[in-house]
Amino acid sequence: DVKVTQSSRYLVKRTGEKVFLECVQDMDHENMFWYRQDPGLGLRLIYFSYDVKMKEKGDIPEGYSVSREKKERFSLILESASTNQTSMYLCASLGILPHEQFFGPGTRLTVL
Amino acid sequence: DAKTTQPTSMDCAEGRAANLPCNHSTISGNEYVYWYRQIHSQGPQYIIHGLKNNETNEMASLIITEDRKSSTLILPHATLRDTAVYYCIVINQGGSEKLVFGKGMKLTVNP
Repeated sequence: DVKVTQSSRYLVKRTGEKVFLECVQDMDHENMFWYRQDPGLGLRLIYFSYDVKMKEKGDIPEGYSVSREKKERFSLILESASTNQTSMYLCASLGILPHEQFFGPGTRLTVL
Repeated sequence: DAKTTQPTSMDCAEGRAANLPCNHSTISGNEYVYWYRQIHSQGPQYIIHGLKNNETNEMASLIITEDRKSSTLILPHATLRDTAVYYCIVINQGGSEKLVFGKGMKLTVNP
C-alpha cells in the first residue's frame, strides 16, 4: 500500500514565524502536490513537483514556497506565517494511473 | 465554471446500495470521470474512474450513461464507514491538467 505521511496532524504557530510542513511518500512517485482545504472553498492546489528540484506553481502559490531535494520528500514552507494561512494542508503523490493521487492525512495549521 | 454538478447531500441506510449521481453535460470526448471521497479528518481517497464503459473495482461501480452526460457511483452495500464527501471530477487523461475538487456531495450512511 502506498503511504503518504505528513510530519504533524496539528500545528499552532504565531504570525511571522517560518513554518515547515513535511510530506514523505514511500512509493517512488515522481509527482507530488500540496493543497490547502478551507470550508466552502474546497481543495486548492498550492504547488506541485514533477521531479527532484523541480516545482511549479499551482492556483494559490502566494505566501508559500516548496522544496524537493529528495524524491520521496516534498516540503511546503510558509516564509512568514499569517492568520489567513490557517487551514488544513494536504499533501499527495501521483500513482501509476494519470490522476490517481494518494493523499496524506493532512496537517491542520493554526496561525495565531 | 464547474464541469460537474452533484447534489449537496444524500442519506442512505446501512446495508443498502448507495447511488451517487453526477451530471457532466459538457464533458468532451477525451475527458474521463474520476471519483474520490474524503472521510472526515482524512485526505481524499481515489475510488474509481472511467471513460465510457461501466467500471467496477473492490470499492464501487461506476455507471456512465451512453451519452456520457451523467454518471452514477454505486456503493453496493453501504457501511457506516462510507460516510464521507464524494467528489465527481471530469478531467483529461493526459496533458498537464490538474484535478479540481469541487464541493462534492456529503453521503451519510445511517444505521
